[in-house]
Amino acid sequence: DAMVIQNPRYQVTQFGKPVTLSCSQTLNHNVMYWYQQKSSQAPKLLFHYYDKDFNNEADTPDNFQSRRPNTSFCFLDIRSPGLGDAAMYLCATSDILGGPEKLFFGSGTQLSVL
Amino acid sequence: GESVGLHLPTLSVQEGDNSIINCAYSNSASDYFIWYKQESGKGPQFIIDIRSNMDKRQGQRVTVLLNKTVKHLSLQIAATQPGDSAVYFCAENTGTASKLTFGTGTRLQVTL
Repeated sequence: DAMVIQNPRYQVTQFGKPVTLSCSQTLNHNVMYWYQQKSSQAPKLLFHYYDKDFNNEADTPDNFQSRRPNTSFCFLDIRSPGLGDAAMYLCATSDILGGPEKLFFGSGTQLSVL
Repeated sequence: GESVGLHLPTLSVQEGDNSIINCAYSNSASDYFIWYKQESGKGPQFIIDIRSNMDKRQGQRVTVLLNKTVKHLSLQIAATQPGDSAVYFCAENTGTASKLTFGTGTRLQVTL
C-alpha cells in the first residue's frame, strides 16, 4: 500500500548530540512537511518542501534543518537537541494540483532527549 | 469546547449516541478545512474535509458543517462507537501549498 513511512518509530538522543529523522513516501506527492507535536498539543508546522523548494516557518529555530534529496525522501536534522525538543515529529505529504489538498501523515517518530 | 493551557477539552459520549465536536478557526481567508483523528502514539488520520464554497459535507457516519460568518467548524459523528475514542483536530489552510494550521484538539471518550 502507498504510504508515508517514518523511521525510527522511537529515537533517543543525548543533549547536544545531532540526530536525523527520516521520512519516505510511495505516494509520489510533490509536497512534504515536517510537524512537531508536543504532548497534548496540536501539531506545529516546522517547514515544508514544495518539490525542491524549501519553505521555513518564521518561528522554526535554526537548530532544525531539513533535506529532500529526491521526491521520495525527506530528512529532519536537529543539530543540537535540547530537552525542549523532545516531542513527536510527524512527516506528511500532499499532492497539490490546483489548490489545497489533504495531508497524509506518517506514524511519527517519538524523540526523547536525555 | 475551549482550551485552557495545555489541557485538551474532553467530550464524553455514550456508545450509540451522536457526538458533536466544535472548532473555532482564526483566519477569515482560510479556504479549506479538515478534520483529523489521532489515536494515542499514532499520526493524524484524515476523516473529512470541506472547502469554503460549501457549508456542509457528509461522509460515512460523519458530517462537517462550516459557518464562515462566525468562523466555526463542527464535526458530527453518528452512532459513536468505542473505536471513535481519540483526539480530534480541526485544521485550516492558511496559505499556499496546503499549509495546515491545527486547532487545539478535543479528546473524545466513548463510554459503554
